[in-house]
Amino acid sequence: LAKTTQPISMDSYEGQEVNITCSHNNIATNDYITWYQQFPSQGPRFIIQGYKTKVTNEVASLFIPADRKSSTLSLPRVSLSDTAVYYCLVGDVYNQGGKLIFGQGTELSVKP
Amino acid sequence: NAGVTQTPKFRVLKTGQSMTLLCAQDMNHEYMYWYRQDPGMGLRLIHYSVGEGTTAKGEVPDGYNVSRLKKQNFLLGLESAAPSQTSVYFCASSNRRTGDNQPQHFGDGTRLSIL
Repeated sequence: LAKTTQPISMDSYEGQEVNITCSHNNIATNDYITWYQQFPSQGPRFIIQGYKTKVTNEVASLFIPADRKSSTLSLPRVSLSDTAVYYCLVGDVYNQGGKLIFGQGTELSVKP
Repeated sequence: NAGVTQTPKFRVLKTGQSMTLLCAQDMNHEYMYWYRQDPGMGLRLIHYSVGEGTTAKGEVPDGYNVSRLKKQNFLLGLESAAPSQTSVYFCASSNRRTGDNQPQHFGDGTRLSIL
């Protein structure tokens, strides 16, 4: 199973770029890497997903090196509303549905 | 469009009681999942379903049963609740698209306390 490891917490200030790294040394060939954001008393919400190299959408970028043993979520110019817990998920929904492994989450605190 | 709806939102049970958590999705998704979330543990997959009438075990299935009689509903049952099952339970669903790994859509959770 692709166990994932993330920093437990991170602090940042408004307007800064935040990079959160997830380690997944045992990632399988078919595994995708997905990042979710979770606010208190809510379910996780999808941010971005990738398989290799770099993926960018309107809210974040995801960097995946060639060996795919880690991934970095990049949040540009964070605001107070980005204070949340961020999870990386490694797995293949179709071939390994029972082996979807969430990291323990990184609690990001954005200060004014 | 409601997305994923979980019922109830809160519940307190006594040890040994049984109950069923209901998850409903209106996105016509093929896949559905049940997770539990405990402090410091992240989310752990209990059971999942890849289609109507099919279910499979996840990482922590013991003490739980599930059923997917209708495509839009996924039920999680606790036959004899134990204090160790005190947790927040999340349901999720995802679409199926060949060659792509579709993200999951989550409900807002059911907070379950077992005394």
